[in-house]
Amino acid sequence: KAGVTQTPRYLIKTRGQQVTLSCSPISGHRSVSWYQQTPGQGLQFLFEYFSETQRNKGNFPGRFSGRQFSNSRSEMNVSTLELGDSALYLCASSLLGTGYTEAFFGQGTRLTVV
Amino acid sequence: DQQVKQNSPSLSVQEGRISILNCDYTNSMFDYFLWYKKYPAEGPTFLISISSIKDKNEDGRFTVFLNKSAKHLSLHIVPSQPGDSAVYFCAASVAGGTSYGKLTFGQGTILTVHP
Repeated sequence: KAGVTQTPRYLIKTRGQQVTLSCSPISGHRSVSWYQQTPGQGLQFLFEYFSETQRNKGNFPGRFSGRQFSNSRSEMNVSTLELGDSALYLCASSLLGTGYTEAFFGQGTRLTVV
Repeated sequence: DQQVKQNSPSLSVQEGRISILNCDYTNSMFDYFLWYKKYPAEGPTFLISISSIKDKNEDGRFTVFLNKSAKHLSLHIVPSQPGDSAVYFCAASVAGGTSYGKLTFGQGTILTVHP
């Protein structure tokens, strides 16, 4: 059974640009959550999608957005990139959502904003 | 407000001995807890979980204990192996409501297992 796949693994962008990250969950999983990891803030929750609907959102500015497709694949988008957006972005796949079933993480996308 | 705390930044143990990693939480609404192992620049690897209706769960060398009255959980690794050296995160979640999909993580504990 394939795990959670995130693409790309590494990205370098310039301030002001926008970026789109992709996450393919484990087959059959309907919940996808996104997290940002930075050395200073640890792992911070961005948002969660379940069956194409955003059910929850963390405390991030509106520049951070996401969506989920009918096949449960998810994308997150960051517009008008800032230096502080440099981080490891992780997505987690869960059958029914955390609180009910385990969440499995992808390898992450390392975003560097210069 | 740090709702999940791992007060020990690091832990060092000898190979073959027991490793005990601790985690405290403040939100009494948390009802599902997980432990992850993480290497730098990689995603967390799921280890073991426990529901609030249980006080113990075992999986091979890993055992998680939950003390709801003390709002405390711990991960025991027996026997410890050098390959266990990594950062360990505990995470907590609430089933449903406004907390869908949200895991709240502790700051992590660096475990080093010496041969």
